[in-house]
Amino acid sequence: EAQVTQNPRYLITVTGKKLTVTCSQNMNHEYMSWYRQDPGLGLRQIYYSMNVEVTDKGDVPEGYKVSRKEKRNFPLILESPSPNQTSLYFCASSLGTKNEQFFGPGTRLTVL
Amino acid sequence: GEDVEQSLFLSVREGDSSVINCTYTDSSSTYLYWYKQEPGAGLQLLTYIFSNMDMKQDQRLTVLLNKKDKHLSLRIADTQTGDSAIYFCAESTAGTYKYIFGTGTRLKVLA
Repeated sequence: EAQVTQNPRYLITVTGKKLTVTCSQNMNHEYMSWYRQDPGLGLRQIYYSMNVEVTDKGDVPEGYKVSRKEKRNFPLILESPSPNQTSLYFCASSLGTKNEQFFGPGTRLTVL
Repeated sequence: GEDVEQSLFLSVREGDSSVINCTYTDSSSTYLYWYKQEPGAGLQLLTYIFSNMDMKQDQRLTVLLNKKDKHLSLRIADTQTGDSAIYFCAESTAGTYKYIFGTGTRLKVLA
């Protein structure tokens, strides 16, 4: 089944404790992206990747890192999480920007 | 920077038509999308329109684009309770890899 998977689905952590949210797709998509969803703000793009080893900042990249060492994986790294990073995070992939984006189920992160 | 705006809530009666509106600021937008998010789930693409089109119809869905006013709308005919969800408008531009999403409109369908 074609899908985007994210792990973990739920995470509660404390300020400053490094964490990684994994994202994997099995559709051989070149384009992958991370978003955060906050009430009243919609989805905001954090980082995106056009292909292996090619990444760029979205609208809200501060406090996040990404890597794209393999085509299927695009992990989101929070080196020192802070409470303002409490949010619902979505990973998405597509063949290109004019194509449909397939979204993962989301990761709800709480930083205390 | 680019911005996409939507009203936050819409309530309609089952069987009526729903119209969800969106305005965007980027005149170079090439692709405009409507996504649906059901409770506890990710987003799913409903439909999209190229900026050189005025209208697109797909079963119960009609998308209208007024490029002069930078206004996009999604009409859902014969709205059902299963249509209750959050609807996001989004735009992207050819040659870039950035997507801009709106704030989302929560549609509530009353039986």
